[in-house]
Amino acid sequence: KAGVTQTPRYLIKTRGQQVTLSCSPISGHRSVSWYQQTPGQGLQFLFEYFSETQRNKGNFPGRFSGRQFSNSRSEMNVSTLELGDSALYLCASSYRDFDNEQFFGPGTRLTVL
Amino acid sequence: GQQLNQSPQSMFIQEGEDVSMNCTSSSIFNTWLWYKQDPGEGPVLLIALYKAGELTSNGRLTAQFGITRKDSFLNISASIPSDVGIYFCAGQLVGNTPLVFGKGTRLSVIA
Repeated sequence: KAGVTQTPRYLIKTRGQQVTLSCSPISGHRSVSWYQQTPGQGLQFLFEYFSETQRNKGNFPGRFSGRQFSNSRSEMNVSTLELGDSALYLCASSYRDFDNEQFFGPGTRLTVL
Repeated sequence: GQQLNQSPQSMFIQEGEDVSMNCTSSSIFNTWLWYKQDPGEGPVLLIALYKAGELTSNGRLTAQFGITRKDSFLNISASIPSDVGIYFCAGQLVGNTPLVFGKGTRLSVIA
């Protein structure tokens, strides 16, 4: 069974731009969670989607948004990028909503210049 | 938000030694999990714990759910070079809340 895939793996953007990251969960998994990982703050929860509905949202500004499609694939968007948005963005999938046994993808490394 | 205090921040050990790390919180958690992250990869789930006092093993790894439900421990026995990486604890307060992660313990193994 293929694991969680994330595209692209690396991105370089400039301040003020917007970016869209994509996540394909493990086949059969219907829940997708997104996390931001930085050296200073560690892993911070962004949001969770299940059956195309946002179930939970972390403490991030409205510039961070996401969505989930009917095939469970998910995208997250960051608008008006800031230098502090540079991070590894991780997607994790699980079979059920609010499932704590989450399987992570390799992440997308975003650098904002 | 909730905080998990993970210690130590980093460890340098000789191959073959045993390793112990822990995670504490001021809040009571219903679930504790331990993940390992290798460079350039996402975290991989090692062990999940669901009951206070529970002791669970996965090969050379053993983790315990603290009896107070405010802490958890991970032990690695007879460390080998491939144990190198960052180990994260994570907790879930109640069933419909997101995971909270510790800041990680960076393990280095000297051959």
